[in-house]
Amino acid sequence: EDQVTQSPEALRLQEGESSSLNCSYTVSGLRGLFWYRQDPGKGPEFLFTLYSAGEEKEKERLKATLTKKESFLHITAPKPEDSATYLCAVQAILGGATNKLIFGTGTLLAVQP
Amino acid sequence: SAVISQKPSRDICQRGTSLTIQCQVDSQVTMMFWYRQQPGQSLTLIATANQGSEATYESGFVIDKFPISRPNLTFSTLTVSNMSPEDSSIYLCSVGTAQQYFGPGTRLTVL
Repeated sequence: EDQVTQSPEALRLQEGESSSLNCSYTVSGLRGLFWYRQDPGKGPEFLFTLYSAGEEKEKERLKATLTKKESFLHITAPKPEDSATYLCAVQAILGGATNKLIFGTGTLLAVQP
Repeated sequence: SAVISQKPSRDICQRGTSLTIQCQVDSQVTMMFWYRQQPGQSLTLIATANQGSEATYESGFVIDKFPISRPNLTFSTLTVSNMSPEDSSIYLCSVGTAQQYFGPGTRLTVL
């Protein structure tokens, strides 16, 4: 069964304190791995797509990496505005034409000034 | 990326009633998706809605409970029927193929 597990569930950082969020996945065949940011009361906001092991994507203070079993979202020198829930999702290669995303439960990040 | 709006943004409903949620996209899209986000749980796909065909439901979700309409390429509705408190959740629509873009969600509370 396709599955996504994120850790930690919650993370509290001081402003400027770098860290990483983990997303472990099992999928029959990976079409893509996605990272989203979700602020309270809003829908998920797309951040990155990774397609193959070894791939990396960067955006401001965020960097996403991918291996065959997991993905990391590295946050360098975070600021309070980076506080949000970060969601990881995978899209599997299924028999039919579907774009179904399988989500983890997310990591709630709080960055204190 | 597409701009997606949902109505209503939130509602409080009585047990046994039904609520229809609207999703409007600013461009024509082939596939639209409806997700549920229950407190403390991951987003779960309810169904995929293609224009001109019946919606495809995921395991655990049935058409009688969550009927979906897709009258054109920019609009879809999800109805939550005969509601119970367990249906209290955030309902989100999304569009996209390689990457999906989400609407702001509808926060539903059932008393």
